[in-house]
Amino acid sequence: KAGVTQTPRYLIKTRGQQVTLSCSPISGHRSVSWYQQTPGQGLQFLFEYFSETQRNKGNFPGRFSGRQFSNSRSEMNVSTLELGDSALYLCASSLGGAASTDTQYFGPGTRLTVL
Amino acid sequence: LAKTTQPISMDSYEGQEVNITCSHNNIATNDYITWYQQFPSQGPRFIIQGYKTKVTNEVASLFIPADRKSSTLSLPRVSLSDTAVYYCLGVGNTDKLIFGTGTRLQVFP
Repeated sequence: KAGVTQTPRYLIKTRGQQVTLSCSPISGHRSVSWYQQTPGQGLQFLFEYFSETQRNKGNFPGRFSGRQFSNSRSEMNVSTLELGDSALYLCASSLGGAASTDTQYFGPGTRLTVL
Repeated sequence: LAKTTQPISMDSYEGQEVNITCSHNNIATNDYITWYQQFPSQGPRFIIQGYKTKVTNEVASLFIPADRKSSTLSLPRVSLSDTAVYYCLGVGNTDKLIFGTGTRLQVFP
């Protein structure tokens, strides 16, 4: 079974631009979560989508948004990029059951650099 | 949400057993203890999960005492490829994953 895939793997943008990242979950998985990882803040939860609806949300500004399509693929968008948005963006997919027993499988991430 | 505390870093040598202890004093009744492993520039990888007592899989063992206020991840006979960051999480029924700082394990030859 193919794992979680993320595109692109690397991205360079300038301040003020916007960016869209894509995540394809494992076949059969209905939940997709997004995380931001930086050296200073570590791994932080952005949001989770399940059956095309946002089910959970972290403490990030409205510039960060996402969506999920009927085939469970998900996109994350960041508008008006800031230097501090430079990070590794990770996507994780799972079956979507109770978090306590629902193993999340992470993709390789998209490395975003904002200049 | 269960807040977890674990050592920032640990060193070991190849072939040794490594035990990483995680403290989670305020763990909720329905929280499971879950461990992830992360290599540089990769996403975290699920290692093992347990509720209480002992759980073992092909990669590691997880020991959780009766009071569940701590847990210990045991990696038998580590190799250089086990050098990574290890995260301990308390995961409840409705919680998203909250990653702490993790433990950076360095294995030397």
